Amino acid sequence: QPVLTQSSSASASLGSSVKVTCTLSSEHSGYTIAWHQQQPGKAPRYLMRLDSGRYSRGGGVPDRFSGSSSGADRYLTISSLQFEDEADYYCETWDSNIQVFGGGTKVTVL
Amino acid sequence: EVQLVESGGGLVQPGGSLRLSCAASGFTFSNYWMQWVRQAPGKGLVWVSRISDDGNNIRSADSVKGRFTISRDNAKNTLYLHMNSLRAEDTAVYYCARSLLGVGGDYWGQGALVTVSA
Repeated sequence: QPVLTQSSSASASLGSSVKVTCTLSSEHSGYTIAWHQQQPGKAPRYLMRLDSGRYSRGGGVPDRFSGSSSGADRYLTISSLQFEDEADYYCETWDSNIQVFGGGTKVTVL
Repeated sequence: EVQLVESGGGLVQPGGSLRLSCAASGFTFSNYWMQWVRQAPGKGLVWVSRISDDGNNIRSADSVKGRFTISRDNAKNTLYLHMNSLRAEDTAVYYCARSLLGVGGDYWGQGALVTVSA
């Protein structure tokens, strides 16, 4: 089954950019993932789907959120950071018999 | 507007049962796979179970197999999670989500809190 690995935290200054990484297990490096945002005390919100070549944002997601890939790594980049972007970010993937989430990355806006 | 509203959460004793419901609106429910995801207090998201649009394809996490059953009623636009033999470690907020096939959840409900405690 696939494994998704995320660093536990990331931080950047207001107005700058931050890049969050989700690494797929090597044998699943071609898988598509989803990125989700969870603000404190709220339900998760879908941000985008991201495969090895392109991404597609969900409805209403600002274009400050973008995705990219390199090998087994899937990236979420947040540009022009706002205080409201301070949240936990999770990646998710789908296999024939299971779905898996990464452990989450807490993004702090300084 | 897509809406998913969970209900049925609450306090239950270890070994007890509970049924969660997720009422869907704003989209053609019978065209979409659906899933349940849970989050223990202070922890990350954990996938629980998913069901195909017609209800014939079901997959569940090992931690709930044999105890939890996902089902749906397309005539009522409602998703269910039947939970039996509940344990303290099942305490969590349970979210239903609409599934993007092959990807994961693209719309989420607000969650229902299940507390398993004596």
